Amino acid sequence: AQSVTQLDSQVPVFEEAPVELRCNYSSSVSVYLFWYVQYPNQGLQLLLKYLSGSTLVESINGFEAEFNKSQTSFHLRKPSVHISDTAEYFCAVEEAAGNKLTFGGGTRVLVKP
Amino acid sequence: KAGVTQTPRYLIKTRGQQVTLSCSPISGHRSVSWYQQTPGQGLQFLFEYFSETQRNKGNFPGRFSGRQFSNSRSEMNVSTLELGDSALYLCASSLAGISSYEQYFGPGTRLTVT
Repeated sequence: AQSVTQLDSQVPVFEEAPVELRCNYSSSVSVYLFWYVQYPNQGLQLLLKYLSGSTLVESINGFEAEFNKSQTSFHLRKPSVHISDTAEYFCAVEEAAGNKLTFGGGTRVLVKP
Repeated sequence: KAGVTQTPRYLIKTRGQQVTLSCSPISGHRSVSWYQQTPGQGLQFLFEYFSETQRNKGNFPGRFSGRQFSNSRSEMNVSTLELGDSALYLCASSLAGISSYEQYFGPGTRLTVT
């Protein structure tokens, strides 16, 4: 069975500063990797995903994540955050043969002015 | 295109009662998955339906059940409610339920059990 660990439960960061959210996973089979964002009182929105190919994936709003197979990690980064990035971020994995997402515990990002 | 809709958005029930939650997927999507979100356990997979068949199931007791209709709409039912069932229940739909297709989440139904 796969598992996902998000090492930081909360990350306070100042506006325009960089942020990195760490995600490590374990699985005995090939996986797909995802980052979702959840704004208050809303459902989850897909931020970016890694299925195959280039290990660096980017989102349209400036986030990027890099798949590192040897370290079983999929850390999320943004070089300069905005107040509107305040949200909870979830890393998730899915076995390549299934359709069931396993989520990490989430990281709350609080962007301060 | 309309997104995933869930009804009701909020629900208050008493211990021992049962509840039914509804999820309407995006038009054309045939797979619907359900997740439970609690502060203590985080996001946990309940089950997935595809073409009216349960294809995948998480580690929840039999009190949690679901079904999918021919129009892909799905319902989940929780019988004999317990206080610990208080949670945000999210459903997600995808085109064909294959891993490479994005799952689109609804806003959730917040269930409070008193």
